[in-house]
Amino acid sequence: AQSVAQPEDQVNVAEGNPLTVKCTYSVSGNPYLFWYVQYPNRGLQFLLKYITGDNLVKGSYGFEAEFNKSQTSFHLKKPSALVSDSALYFCAVRPGGDDKIIFGKGTRLHILP
Amino acid sequence: DAGITQSPRHKVTETGTPVTLRCHQTENHRYMYWYRQDPGHGLRLIHYSYGVKDTDKGEVSDGYSVSRSKTEDFLLTLESATSSQTSVYFCAISETGGEPQHFGDGTRLSIL
Repeated sequence: AQSVAQPEDQVNVAEGNPLTVKCTYSVSGNPYLFWYVQYPNRGLQFLLKYITGDNLVKGSYGFEAEFNKSQTSFHLKKPSALVSDSALYFCAVRPGGDDKIIFGKGTRLHILP
Repeated sequence: DAGITQSPRHKVTETGTPVTLRCHQTENHRYMYWYRQDPGHGLRLIHYSYGVKDTDKGEVSDGYSVSRSKTEDFLLTLESATSSQTSVYFCAISETGGEPQHFGDGTRLSIL
């Protein structure tokens, strides 16, 4: 079965420190990969996506993600966390040849002042 | 922000009653989606539309129906609501299909 996993329900990071939110996937073909962010009482917002090419993808709000084909991972990163980055983050994958995406269960990111 | 409006934003109803949620967009995007969000499950696709009167099922479509008579409106109907359909429902749109690009702010539905 095709799936995407976010192994951490919650990640705590001190403000100013680098952050990583992990995502791994198991799908057929060459996948498209995505990250979304959700703030309280709001819908999801698109952060970034990987289709092909450079393994390091840059997105909104200073976030970036690194695609690693051998480890089937697509971790979200930011060099210096802000308190305002506190939110729920979703990884998603679109399997090769499919027209729908599969969401992970989400990781809650807490940035501590 | 993209022009997506969901109504109502909150609703409480009883088991067995019909419920219709509305999604209205002003972006003229071809693709529209309905998701539900539940703790521990992330977002799961209920139904989607790839054009006026063109719809298809997602992974959790049982108990739900949809209609799209105009580009801008996508309705989700629970014919006979059950407590398991208590959830937060999100509408999303996409210009090109594949991944949703913009989301509404959700409808919190409680079925007692």
